[in-house]
Amino acid sequence: AQKVTQAQTEISVVEKEDVTLDCVYETRDTTYYLFWYKQPPSGELVFLIRRNSFDEQNEISGRYSWNFQKSTSSFNFTITASQVVDSAVYFCALSESPQGGSEKLVFGKGMKLTVNP
Amino acid sequence: EAGVAQSPRYKIIEKRQSVAFWCNPISGHATLYWYQQILGQGPKLLIQFQNNGVVDDSQLPKDRFSAERLKGVDSTLKIQPAKLEDSAVYLCASSLAGRGGLDTQYFGPGTRLTVL
Repeated sequence: AQKVTQAQTEISVVEKEDVTLDCVYETRDTTYYLFWYKQPPSGELVFLIRRNSFDEQNEISGRYSWNFQKSTSSFNFTITASQVVDSAVYFCALSESPQGGSEKLVFGKGMKLTVNP
Repeated sequence: EAGVAQSPRYKIIEKRQSVAFWCNPISGHATLYWYQQILGQGPKLLIQFQNNGVVDDSQLPKDRFSAERLKGVDSTLKIQPAKLEDSAVYLCASSLAGRGGLDTQYFGPGTRLTVL
């Protein structure tokens, strides 16, 4: 069965610090997709990135970067030079390839990031 | 492009009452999802529609929850009767074709339900 673990529940940093959010997943499928979503206080889940299991290249988008390692079943997310606007709950999620059934996302419990000025 | 719309944003009811939530997906998105997010947890899928057909409702408590997506566009989720443990945020999401991870799910702002 699919499972996503975000061991950290809450992190507090000071503005401009770098912060890494950990995500470990479990799946028996060889084809799967990993996601990160951001949930600011307004409540809406905002899509950040999607990664498929065949693409282990790290990705950088501005201050955000993602490190995908199949060997350790991890998909970690780093925010460089954090800002107050980064304060939110961040969710890692996993979706297995569709086989005629549901393509549901399985989410971790989320990690609350607070960036203090 | 307009995002996923949901209403109401907040609802407070007494236990044993009924309540309904509405969702309008992104235009052209064939797949619609309802998730339940209990405080401190990640969202959990309740039901997935592909056009107006149900793909997965295995985690929907069917004795009290129902959902429909008439005409394959808007959807309503109903709870009748509500229990205290139904207090949660109900999130609606949509994706282009529901092809698993190939299609990103986009979420609405959610409806925060409080059952007293």
